[in-house]
Amino acid sequence: GQQLNQSPQSMFIQEGEDVSMNCTSSSIFNTWLWYKQDPGEGPVLLIALYKAGELTSNGRLTAQFGITRKDSFLNISASIPSDVGIYFCAGRAPGDAGNMLTFGGGTRLMVKP
Amino acid sequence: GAVVSQHPSWVICKSGTSVKIECRSLDFQATTMFWYRQFPKQSLMLMATSNEGSKATYEQGVEKDKFLINHASLTLSTLTVTSAHPEDSSFYICSASSSGYNEQFFGPGTRLTVL
Repeated sequence: GQQLNQSPQSMFIQEGEDVSMNCTSSSIFNTWLWYKQDPGEGPVLLIALYKAGELTSNGRLTAQFGITRKDSFLNISASIPSDVGIYFCAGRAPGDAGNMLTFGGGTRLMVKP
Repeated sequence: GAVVSQHPSWVICKSGTSVKIECRSLDFQATTMFWYRQFPKQSLMLMATSNEGSKATYEQGVEKDKFLINHASLTLSTLTVTSAHPEDSSFYICSASSSGYNEQFFGPGTRLTVL
């Protein structure tokens, strides 16, 4: 089946720094989603992307749907301690039934105050 | 936004017993619900997809007789872990979606510990 390669696996940064993470695939997707999971909680949707080239912001977060439809990135500007958590990309491939998603392995973000 | 709840949030049970986890969509009708399992420091692993009124579709390697899924209404799906064993201890997360959405909305998860 499809696989999403998400990198980096983990990041340890200083508060105030910008963060960038990305997901790549060998096959195309027609929807890219970015979720954040806090410890002991379910993932929460941050940004949804539906068109190739689309660039969408949500506060300090910005995500883009790659032109090739095989990749997406998420940027977080001016990180703060509450940004700590695991970020997952997820994609929906053409032909996937019922909103089924493929998930990346996650990026664990740690922010040092 | 769409809200999904899960109950219980955590459960501890003895080996050999069965545990039922409920997943509810609170403000929309979920035609499809998904059940995931997540081990520590790992990504979400899809266990099964259930459509309201139909039998669930299980992913390869997931025992349908051990993980019973019922999706009897558009707002409720249940996962029953039968004859639970310590290796079933995990974080179980449901998500819900419908034809009106392109996304899945996740519940808060259920931490299962089997002693």
